[in-house]
Amino acid sequence: DSGVTQTPKHLITATGQRVTLRCSPRSGDLSVYWYQQSLDQGLQFLIQYYNGEERAKGNILERFSAQQFPDLHSELNLSSLELGDSALYFCASSVGEGISYEQYFGPGTRLTVT
Amino acid sequence: AQKVTQAQTEISVVEKEDVTLDCVYETRDTTYYLFWYKQPPSGELVFLIRRNSFDEQNEISGRYSWNFQKSTSSFNFTITASQVVDSAVYFCALSGWGSGGYNKLIFGAGTRLAVHP
Repeated sequence: DSGVTQTPKHLITATGQRVTLRCSPRSGDLSVYWYQQSLDQGLQFLIQYYNGEERAKGNILERFSAQQFPDLHSELNLSSLELGDSALYFCASSVGEGISYEQYFGPGTRLTVT
Repeated sequence: AQKVTQAQTEISVVEKEDVTLDCVYETRDTTYYLFWYKQPPSGELVFLIRRNSFDEQNEISGRYSWNFQKSTSSFNFTITASQVVDSAVYFCALSGWGSGGYNKLIFGAGTRLAVHP
């Protein structure tokens, strides 16, 4: 158990809908990362927050947005969902924001868009 | 640009065989980190190892060993005497300052290892 929690574990929804994925980092970690694992794109970085501020962006679609709250939990919002958004979404956390800090991954949220 | 290549898509072995998973990376950074993760059928990502670019010593942990060679930009992973429980997808990953100085991991496509009894 990495100490990173993600809810829900599974989510099934229809095209066009909007969903919110939630992540609670390990106690003491200030940085949160979101990754998407899909059959087409593999595992790819979406976005990083550090202490409430956006730090880095990857290949995140405009339909997707995220934020990190004062209690350091993070939410990833996916809107106007398409079939291709079906994927496993991972959250990770680390103490700091630089490359020397190890990332700990949560169990993931499996999103199925029908 | 930074890139990780895992050329082996799938490997199938019989239990007790040794198996090596290849990882080749590209980066212009002098400081970077390399990782291996295991993803069992249950889906979670299990951290196996992190290696600093300045530490080229090979590492052994039980049946697992890693060979880091900067000269060939490779960070290969060997499982000795494989077991059925080793069946999983294994990912090699890279993070470096070329990522904008931030800690984003760049993953390879993964190698699916099937160990048969």
